Amino acid sequence: GDSVTQMEGPVTLSEEAFLTINCTYTATGYPSLFWYVQYPGEGLQLLLKATKADDKGSNKGFEATYRKETTSFHLEKGSVQVSDSAVYFCALSDHPGGTSYGKLTFGQGTILTVHP
Amino acid sequence: DTAVSQTPKYLVTQMGNDKSIKCEQNLGHDTMYWYKQDSKKFLKIMFSYNNKELIINETVPNRFSPKSPDKAHLNLHINSLELGDSAVYFCASSQEVGSSYEQYFGPGTRLTVT
Repeated sequence: GDSVTQMEGPVTLSEEAFLTINCTYTATGYPSLFWYVQYPGEGLQLLLKATKADDKGSNKGFEATYRKETTSFHLEKGSVQVSDSAVYFCALSDHPGGTSYGKLTFGQGTILTVHP
Repeated sequence: DTAVSQTPKYLVTQMGNDKSIKCEQNLGHDTMYWYKQDSKKFLKIMFSYNNKELIINETVPNRFSPKSPDKAHLNLHINSLELGDSAVYFCASSQEVGSSYEQYFGPGTRLTVT
């Protein structure tokens, strides 16, 4: 079945540091890829997405590029802020015919803490 | 206005009880979901409804029964609660089924079974 693997957390950074959170996937179909963010005590919010190979999703200074050849969708930000402290989830959803069609399959989440 | 709302936000109950969690969305979406987040933050789909019809039913004990009275509501009823049911339950909705459609999540219901 489909699966998503994220780098182990927690990740602790100083403000203005560069962030990378690795994400790789296995899928039976040709999925869309997502990054969701969960701030403390809240539900998940879509951060960015990419629906086909070589697409780059971007939002709020975060970026991720859909790499089909390496089955990866790594999240990056050039300069993190304290307000970026949250749990980040990589996820996929298949097109029709795929195992994850109609649902999100999540990675295990990566806790990010940014210190002033 | 809250797009996806859940009640209650916190639920503490004893083993063996029956409880319900309610979810409502005011986005006019056709598809709704229930996800379970365990203590290690891992999220997994439980159910999905499209236009009130069940389309995804993952390997969930039949003590869990979703009910969709209309497209805007998807409730989750849990019978004979067990300690392992303690988790945060998230409701979500999307315009349609499919990977192109963003899922909007509710704030979650933290269920604690004692």
